[in-house]
Amino acid sequence: NAGVTQTPKFQVLKTGQSMTLQCAQDMNHEYMSWYRQDPGMGLRLIHYSVGAGITDQGEVPNGYNVSRSTTEDFPLRLLSAAPSQTSVYFCASRPNLNTEAFFGQGTRLTVV
Amino acid sequence: GQQLNQSPQSMFIQEGEDVSMNCTSSSIFNTWLWYKQDPGEGPVLLIALYKAGELTSNGRLTAQFGITRKDSFLNISASIPSDVGIYFCAGHGEYGNKLVFGAGTILRVKS
Repeated sequence: NAGVTQTPKFQVLKTGQSMTLQCAQDMNHEYMSWYRQDPGMGLRLIHYSVGAGITDQGEVPNGYNVSRSTTEDFPLRLLSAAPSQTSVYFCASRPNLNTEAFFGQGTRLTVV
Repeated sequence: GQQLNQSPQSMFIQEGEDVSMNCTSSSIFNTWLWYKQDPGEGPVLLIALYKAGELTSNGRLTAQFGITRKDSFLNISASIPSDVGIYFCAGHGEYGNKLVFGAGTILRVKS
């Protein structure tokens, strides 16, 4: 089992560029989430999904899109990157409601 | 939205000392989870709490789910250098679909 796999690990973007952060899990978990981590602010929920075909917004969804076409994959898209999106991004999955989440190793994104 | 207030923000303690940190919420939570994050890594679960009043230990770590369902604490006894890291509380609110996190407690240990 690989668990939760995120790619890439590091990325530098220019303002206005678009990109997709990939997240895949092989645990057949229904729930997947994207968080961003900024100093002193903990992990803030961007978007989440409770199953294939279902997504919803978290605390800080603006500037990000997601889709969930399969149980395994939950990509995060930045349509037009801004310096304020410089952060470390974590993908997490969990089997169902009220259970622990398992995290990927993170993607460190810098927007210049 | 649901918010978790975690304190203290940081601690710098002597090796061998005990550590205590806590989280409070303005709304009821169904679960409380405590995670540790090492530099360059994702958070890793330390302890999961599922019932009000539950007290659970994992080695030198002890955590409790508050009776009001609005708070939780984590204690670390006899700290060692490898305890260094960021500790996060997290929890599921009323509907369980969102897992929200506290801002974290940065722990540094002097040996």
